[in-house]
Amino acid sequence: GENVEQHPSTLSVQEGDSAVIKCTYSDSASNYFPWYKQELGKRPQLIIDIRSNVGEKKDQRIAVTLNKTAKHFSLHITETQPEDSAVYFCAATLPNTGFQKLVFGTGTRLLVSP
Amino acid sequence: NAGVTQTPKFRVLKTGQSMTLLCAQDMNHEYMYWYRQDPGMGLRLIHYSVGEGTTAKGEVPDGYNVSRLKKQNFLLGLESAAPSQTSVYFCASSYHGTKNTEAFFGQGTRLTVV
Repeated sequence: GENVEQHPSTLSVQEGDSAVIKCTYSDSASNYFPWYKQELGKRPQLIIDIRSNVGEKKDQRIAVTLNKTAKHFSLHITETQPEDSAVYFCAATLPNTGFQKLVFGTGTRLLVSP
Repeated sequence: NAGVTQTPKFRVLKTGQSMTLLCAQDMNHEYMYWYRQDPGMGLRLIHYSVGEGTTAKGEVPDGYNVSRLKKQNFLLGLESAAPSQTSVYFCASSYHGTKNTEAFFGQGTRLTVV
């Protein structure tokens, strides 16, 4: 089955710096890659996703890139702010398999210091 | 519109006790899921349901049972709690299971088994 590895497990940056979180997946047939943000004590919430037919997607300060050949995808946060501090989870799933087949990474704790 | 609501938010059980966690959604979603979240292990699927009256096993189903008697509710039961079941439990729901769509999470239940 699918396996998703996520790095780093913790990431500390200064406010205004950029942050990059990387994930690799094992099944080349996977085609949907969402990213969830979980603030301390809160529920996970979808922040951005990408499908295998595109290489990059942006939404204001966040972007996700996908390299299908290398089977990895990354989350990029620019101009980080203290409110970006949270745990970020990547995930991957195969086509037409639904959310129940989504495999999550182990999470990255991002700390943005003022 | 409350979204996904979990009850209770916190619970402490003694080993061998039983309990039921309730998940309710008011978005008319067909699919519902129960996850557990443990440090360094991300989100792991326990059981899920593709519709009223149906349930299926996820990645880590042992020690848990579920029921979906009503479309809006998904119950997770622990018949004989064990310390290994100490975790944060999240319920989620999604409109469609076979197309990759966003799932909405509840606020979580922190369960401690002593």
